[in-house]
Amino acid sequence: GAGVSQSPRYKVAKRGQDVALRCDPISGHVSLFWYQQALGQGPEFLTYFQNEAQLDKSGLPSDRFFAERPEGSVSTLKIQRTQQEDSAVYLCASSSSGLSQTQYFGPGTRLLVL
Amino acid sequence: SQQGEEDPQALSIQEGENATMNCSYKTSINNLQWYRQNSGRGLVHLILIRSNEREKHSGRLRVTLDTSKKSSSLLITASRAADTASYFCATSMYSGGGADGLTFGKGTHLIIQP
Repeated sequence: GAGVSQSPRYKVAKRGQDVALRCDPISGHVSLFWYQQALGQGPEFLTYFQNEAQLDKSGLPSDRFFAERPEGSVSTLKIQRTQQEDSAVYLCASSSSGLSQTQYFGPGTRLLVL
Repeated sequence: SQQGEEDPQALSIQEGENATMNCSYKTSINNLQWYRQNSGRGLVHLILIRSNEREKHSGRLRVTLDTSKKSSSLLITASRAADTASYFCATSMYSGGGADGLTFGKGTHLIIQP
């Protein structure tokens, strides 16, 4: 079966541009997570959806970051007016249910802001 | 902010030897997970140990958890070149029937010398 997929795999943006990163979770997975991973660091939690509801967005670093999952499946992470410090790998993960189940990660989108 | 701290930050051993990595965390947890990340690839889940468990095995992997010391260890026996990767511990705190984002450490970079 297909795992979590993300697109694009690589994105280069000029500072100030808006970007949209897509995540296709494993089919039927209820929970979806976004993480940001800076070079040489572990991933840091950004936000979490249960179906279409965004239950936790405490990790979003600023109001320039916005995530949605309107139909409870595909999710989009949008970053407005990108800054150089936004350069990182953005990872998406999904899990089949709650109760802190195993999270399955996609390959990530590597964002470079120039 | 990252809760976990892996130790050592980097480890280089000969193929066939055992590799031990440690993780310390700060707050009470529901479970602790170990993930592997190869260069340029996404995170792969290795093993999950719940807060009421003390030891768990999976193939060549052995994980221990000491909640009194807030620490965990990952042992890889009979290492192979393919085990070369970064290893992260990740903790989950939520136990109320939902899900929560994982809190990752900075990782241990393991190199297996042929």
